[in-house]
Amino acid sequence: QKEVEQDPGPLSVPEGAIVSLNCTYSNSAFQYFMWYRQYSRKGPELLMYTYSSGNKEDGRFTAQVDKSSKYISLFIRDSQPSDSATYLCAMNQAGTALIFGKGTTLSVSS
Amino acid sequence: GAGVSQSPRYKVAKRGQDVALRCDPISGHVSLFWYQQALGQGPEFLTYFQNEAQLDKSGLPSDRFFAERPEGSVSTLKIQRTQQEDSAVYLCASSLRGSKGATPGKETQYFGPGTRLLVL
Repeated sequence: QKEVEQDPGPLSVPEGAIVSLNCTYSNSAFQYFMWYRQYSRKGPELLMYTYSSGNKEDGRFTAQVDKSSKYISLFIRDSQPSDSATYLCAMNQAGTALIFGKGTTLSVSS
Repeated sequence: GAGVSQSPRYKVAKRGQDVALRCDPISGHVSLFWYQQALGQGPEFLTYFQNEAQLDKSGLPSDRFFAERPEGSVSTLKIQRTQQEDSAVYLCASSLRGSKGATPGKETQYFGPGTRLLVL
């Protein structure tokens, strides 16, 4: 079992839909949780960063961390075609390397 | 300000050839990381520098892989005697981790565009 599990999709939704992306993990010592967006042939771009449990909102994006369930989520409201990309969850303990999920490919159709 | 830059963006190598990949981190970022991303996979850790010190090289897949950051800024990842299985995207990231007085977000890593390596 990998340390971080993420459904690779693909996930296809119509424009304006609410998108839910999720990751589960096994290492209870993880403290920092991030979501990156990666367009084709580009590097990962940081979307959201959360420390420990809780919610964080930034515009159309909301990140949730539930450490008791070892489960993190990213919600995208009012999805746009420009949101079509691969979404990577990543996490670590302080002072260690990021562990990434496999990435979920999202397609938003207009 | 300027982000993380990497060069070359694309590299085609013949099997057995040596290659060198360059990373310029964000100015002032103490920590620098190298990751390898295979097609359809998430990035996987290779090695980590804090300033010029290589603190973790546990992810390097073989002794053909070597990384350096001699002045604590630019870093080079070198792959000797390339093999077809080395074909991947090599990503560099930097962060403030290790900086005195850094914010709680110091664990946040910012990525470059990557170098796409194809070994024929």
